[in-house]
Amino acid sequence: GAVVSQHPSRVICKSGTSVKIECRSLDFQATTMFWYRQFPKQSLMLMATSNEGSKATYEQGVEKDKFLINHASLTLSTLTVTSAHPEDSSFYICSARRGAKYEQYFGPGTRLTVT
Amino acid sequence: AQTVTQSQPEMSVQEAETVTLSCTYDTSESDYYLFWYKQPPSRQMILVIRQEAYKQQNATENRFSVNFQKAAKSFSLKISDSQLGDAAMYFCAYRRASEGAQKLVFGQGTRLTINP
Repeated sequence: GAVVSQHPSRVICKSGTSVKIECRSLDFQATTMFWYRQFPKQSLMLMATSNEGSKATYEQGVEKDKFLINHASLTLSTLTVTSAHPEDSSFYICSARRGAKYEQYFGPGTRLTVT
Repeated sequence: AQTVTQSQPEMSVQEAETVTLSCTYDTSESDYYLFWYKQPPSRQMILVIRQEAYKQQNATENRFSVNFQKAAKSFSLKISDSQLGDAAMYFCAYRRASEGAQKLVFGQGTRLTINP
């Protein structure tokens, strides 16, 4: 149990376009989902915390108008990178919190390349 | 703000030997959780082991064990009988225990290489 999926696993888009990444908890309900960004050979950087049915909480320095997060159901959160630029190219990882316990379960990540 | 520091960017060990990865953290909280995550080349984050700060006993999961020194704010991971599949990036992480405090704070990571 506690499986989190992400789609797509890889995406290439042109500069100026928008791209949506989905994060799903497959076998549990996730009241909270998290979105991370990871640059090569670096650690995970938390971008935002997403609670079902409410607005996401963004970390300092993360542009909320550029990285739109929607958590419309207990099993799905989406991250939309708007007007993508080459510097947005990165590995994006989501995680989901299962109920009141402290484990976060991670998705396999999405590699975004902006050309 | 809480911080997590992994001072070893890279470590290597011979297969079947034992290796210890270091982690220190800074917090003013008394109740919190500590974790070690493994990120293999697939990039999938895998929880290796967790420790509740209020528990004095060190956590153990098969070949993986921790040395939790609360006063020193140290949380090292020992991998015994290293296997080729243990090769990965290892991240130490901290989380406050209070309700609503859900954010994980990660260290910089240690890349572990297993030599056959």
